[in-house]
Amino acid sequence: QVQLVESGGDVVQPGGSLRLACVTSGITFRNFGMHWVRQAPGKGLEWVAYVQYDGGITFYADSVKGRFTISRDNSQNRVDLQMNSLRPEDTAVYFCARDLVVQGVRFFDLWGRGTLVAVSS
Amino acid sequence: DIQMTQAPSSLSASVGDRVTITCRASQNIGNHLTWYQQKPGKAPTLLIYAASILQSGVPSRFTGSGSGTDFTLTISTVQPDDFATYYCQNFFGSQFTFGPGTKVDIK
Repeated sequence: QVQLVESGGDVVQPGGSLRLACVTSGITFRNFGMHWVRQAPGKGLEWVAYVQYDGGITFYADSVKGRFTISRDNSQNRVDLQMNSLRPEDTAVYFCARDLVVQGVRFFDLWGRGTLVAVSS
Repeated sequence: DIQMTQAPSSLSASVGDRVTITCRASQNIGNHLTWYQQKPGKAPTLLIYAASILQSGVPSRFTGSGSGTDFTLTISTVQPDDFATYYCQNFFGSQFTFGPGTKVDIK
């Protein structure tokens, strides 16, 4: 059974740090790029970060560049998001998602259920 | 960066209605357009990729069309399970961009 399970969400003060994890099962994790996508309460989807299948390439949204770091451990089927210098506007449900490329088109084909991060004093 | 817009932002429909949602890109993106469905409190699910290819398991009442800058998601006869929010998405360069979403609710 394919599963992507996020964890690590919490309430944190502005300026604080948090590390999210996404553990997968039922997929050949090492073959796929992975993403983090977030959704602020009552708002739309915002892509956050991407890591290539081997960890060799990463991309970030401008809103988190320099503050967030995505990484992966293929031996544990796990992708992490280290979040530093957190701001109230980072409050959101954070989803991990699998990257898929078909006919040159890149999209997210599998999603986890999400973990909630709340940045508040 | 490419900007994605959607219209309308929300609509009300009755079961059996035909529903059309549009997505527009700020520049030519070819067929690099994906559609997702999201229900409240749930993760998004993939509906259509490459503008018109239906994801396995998605009902055939969903169709996608368009290329370049203008795209359409059509639900031929809306069913109760279809009331949700729909997002388009593009990848260009190193950035992934979602449209703002279209909420489809029951009339």
